[in-house]
Amino acid sequence: EVRLLESGGSLVQPGGSLRLSCAASGFTFSSYAMSWVRQAPGKGLEWVSDITGGGDHTYYADSVKGRFTISRDNSKSTLFLQMNSLRADDTAVYYCARAQYTGSYPYCAYWGQGTLVTVSS
Amino acid sequence: EIVLTQSPGTLSLSPGERATLSCRASQSVSSSYLAWYQQKPGQAPRLLIYAASSRATGIPDRFSGSGSGTDFTLTISRLEPEDFAVYYCQQYGSSPRTFGQGTKLEIK
Repeated sequence: EVRLLESGGSLVQPGGSLRLSCAASGFTFSSYAMSWVRQAPGKGLEWVSDITGGGDHTYYADSVKGRFTISRDNSKSTLFLQMNSLRADDTAVYYCARAQYTGSYPYCAYWGQGTLVTVSS
Repeated sequence: EIVLTQSPGTLSLSPGERATLSCRASQSVSSSYLAWYQQKPGQAPRLLIYAASSRATGIPDRFSGSGSGTDFTLTISRLEPEDFAVYYCQQYGSSPRTFGQGTKLEIK
């Protein structure tokens, strides 16, 4: 059974930093691309970032580019999101998701339960 | 960036009725790389449909997806009480991978 467990969300001041983690189990972690998707309170879903299975390619939404860094430790089956220069509009539940592929294009087949990040003074 | 517009914003139906949800793209979605997700309050999204019309593992056959190009549809043939939720479409054929704003399916 695929399991994804996010952690690291908390209250942080504007301009601060936070590192989210996502512990994966139930599949060969290094074989799959992984994603972060966020959802602001009462709002819809927003794709944030992707990383390939080997960690050699990363992709970011314009809204987080230059501030967030996605990474992974395949030896520990863990996905990370380093968030710097946080702003109030980064406040959201952050979900990690495991990719499945149509051809070479990934969609989010499995989702964790999410971790809440609140940016406020 | 491909913008996805879902309609209606809210759909009020009764159990047993048929639901038709629309997702329209601002430009053609490559090779029908479109997915549908269901989200219930306080829960993570759940994948329903990928590649526009393929049901994900464990999804009941009352859920079906169709469409191509810029117009896609999610149909729930006969609503069960557990189907009332918010539904999102997402295109994943081009970057950034964008979501629609959601359709809330509520009990009438």
